[in-house]
Amino acid sequence: DTGVSQDPRHKITKRGQNVTFRCDPISEHNRLYWYRQTLGQGPEFLTYFQNEAQLEKSRLLSDRFSAERPKGSFSTLEIQRTEQGDSAMYLCASSLTETSYEQYFGPGTRLTVT
Amino acid sequence: DAKTTQPTSMDCAEGRAANLPCNHSTISGNEYVYWYRQIHSQGPQYIIHGLKNNETNEMASLIITEDRKSSTLILPHATLRDTAVYYCIVRVALTGGGNKLTFGTGTQLKVEL
Repeated sequence: DTGVSQDPRHKITKRGQNVTFRCDPISEHNRLYWYRQTLGQGPEFLTYFQNEAQLEKSRLLSDRFSAERPKGSFSTLEIQRTEQGDSAMYLCASSLTETSYEQYFGPGTRLTVT
Repeated sequence: DAKTTQPTSMDCAEGRAANLPCNHSTISGNEYVYWYRQIHSQGPQYIIHGLKNNETNEMASLIITEDRKSSTLILPHATLRDTAVYYCIVRVALTGGGNKLTFGTGTQLKVEL
């Protein structure tokens, strides 16, 4: 068990460019979450998958953001036409149905938009 | 979502108990209280959760008042490695059984020699 992994760990992009992040949850974890964390704040919920189905999206998730989990395993989060306000740490977490109280978080992808 | 209020920061001597308070006066009857912590530059880590009874695990104890409007997380013998931001969270249940965690700004606990 290698834990939740995220790739890349750091991303610097210019405003207006598209970026995509990947999350590999713990094997057999059927629930997957994306959160965003800005400096000095706690993580904010963005979206949630159960297997391949996206069941919940936060109002924070503008139409420039899209997330997928095509085969119920890894997930991608894409941001189109990035803005400086998108600069943040993007965290992925996963959990099992049976122990859904415990979300296991990855190390995050730090995005800097210049 | 129910709001939580925590002190911004606390200090604790190594080896002593760290008691971290949290107010959640708007919590409703079936909402759970969760505690997570985040060590610098890492993702958050689950500590403990409870509904109305006190809970204990290998990491910590959770004391919830009878009216459920506040709780205290207790780290019985704090070590330097417990230095982290501690978040008190009222969980929101999601469609299909998932859990939405609303973190707030947390309490920065500093454990010192």
